[in-house]
Amino acid sequence: DADVTQTPRNRITKTGKRIMLECSQTKGHDRMYWYRQDPGLGLRLIYYSFDVKDINKGEISDGYSVSRQAQAKFSLSLESAIPNQTALYFCATSETSGRFTDTQYFGPGTRLTVL
Amino acid sequence: GEDVEQSLFLSVREGDSSVINCTYTDSSSTYLYWYKQEPGAGLQLLTYIFSNMDMKQDQRLTVLLNKKDKHLSLRIADTQTGDSAIYFCAENPGGYQKVTFGTGTKLQVIP
Repeated sequence: DADVTQTPRNRITKTGKRIMLECSQTKGHDRMYWYRQDPGLGLRLIYYSFDVKDINKGEISDGYSVSRQAQAKFSLSLESAIPNQTALYFCATSETSGRFTDTQYFGPGTRLTVL
Repeated sequence: GEDVEQSLFLSVREGDSSVINCTYTDSSSTYLYWYKQEPGAGLQLLTYIFSNMDMKQDQRLTVLLNKKDKHLSLRIADTQTGDSAIYFCAENPGGYQKVTFGTGTKLQVIP
């Protein structure tokens, strides 16, 4: 079984719709992240959470919100989707301490298309 | 702010060596990583190097780190078609600072 899972894997929606992307992990990591990937721009951080009570904005948080429902779950919402939010979205997790602190482990991605 | 920079594209023939380069931004970064993204998949950690190392070898992979120039490279020996993917470098300053990823280099292996 995959350690980091994302649902849905693909989604097509219309401008103005509310969309939620979900991420679950079984790695027992405290830290979770949401990134978006656009061609030629690499990965850009949207939000990150270092534990259940900690939520932080990344470099491109406008138009997005998140919820950390439990250690294992971190969801990303687009309150009113717009076409330039069409992208590949990745969830990632990392450890809090130890040799591999902040080494990130990625989910398979969600391809979102906003028409 | 400054970006972690990579060239966008590299094309090599099967059996040749590939060298993917990266320039990072934070001289205090404690870990530097290479991730591989195959088509339709997420990023997979390929290898990493600690900042107190100059080189790390792992089978066909060789990572070189030049801290003075803040330059990281990944050499893939005997490149195979299965190595075709996008390769991302990333730097980890440690503590509560976030990991920063490069723009990714798409490696095309020509049979």
